Amino acid sequence: EPEVTQTPSHQVTQMGQEVILRCVPISNHLYFYWYRQILGQKVEFLVSFYNNEISEKSEIFDDQFSVERPDGSNFTLKIRSTKLEDSAMYFCASSPGLAGSQETQYFGPGTRLLVL
Amino acid sequence: GDSVTQMEGPVTLSEEAFLTINCTYTATGYPSLFWYVQYPGEGLQLLLKATKADDKGSNKGFEATYRKETTSFHLEKGSVQVSDSAVYFCALSERREYGNKLVFGAGTILRVKS
Repeated sequence: EPEVTQTPSHQVTQMGQEVILRCVPISNHLYFYWYRQILGQKVEFLVSFYNNEISEKSEIFDDQFSVERPDGSNFTLKIRSTKLEDSAMYFCASSPGLAGSQETQYFGPGTRLLVL
Repeated sequence: GDSVTQMEGPVTLSEEAFLTINCTYTATGYPSLFWYVQYPGEGLQLLLKATKADDKGSNKGFEATYRKETTSFHLEKGSVQVSDSAVYFCALSERREYGNKLVFGAGTILRVKS
């Protein structure tokens, strides 16, 4: 069964450093998402991406964050200058692509980011 | 905005006990509703879903019915197993022109003892 994959599974970085989290969505899916879960808190929406553009972003997704689909298979989340409060589990998700539908999102296993 | 409220955990049950995890939602439209499960050290897996009022989602012995009149989507299982120990998240889907956005509850930890 196809699945969403994410790398790395864990990343430790120093405050102020740039990090890139990578995701490979399910191959025929058209919508891509990032969510994050700070330890002990809710899973929060960050951004959705369709047709090589951001379709929606939350207020968390400020200028320090960016997303890209560089090569037609990978979907990346970049944090330019990490802060302590960016420490969280980051989940990538994808969905097949019926416009305007409420279809299921399929999640990857997550990347646990620790900012020191 | 839309929101989801789940019962607080942890919920601790003995094997073969009946499980209910309450979930209520607030939404302006008619969202789809989901239960996701997170096993220790793993990501979020879809457990079941319902897309309209009175629909019942079911999977692996778990069930939930979309109740529009009470804005609820409670998760139930008749007989839990130790392997059901996990964190359960209720979520609703806000429809967008392109894709959708999931709004999650806080999650409920379930611990099943043998």
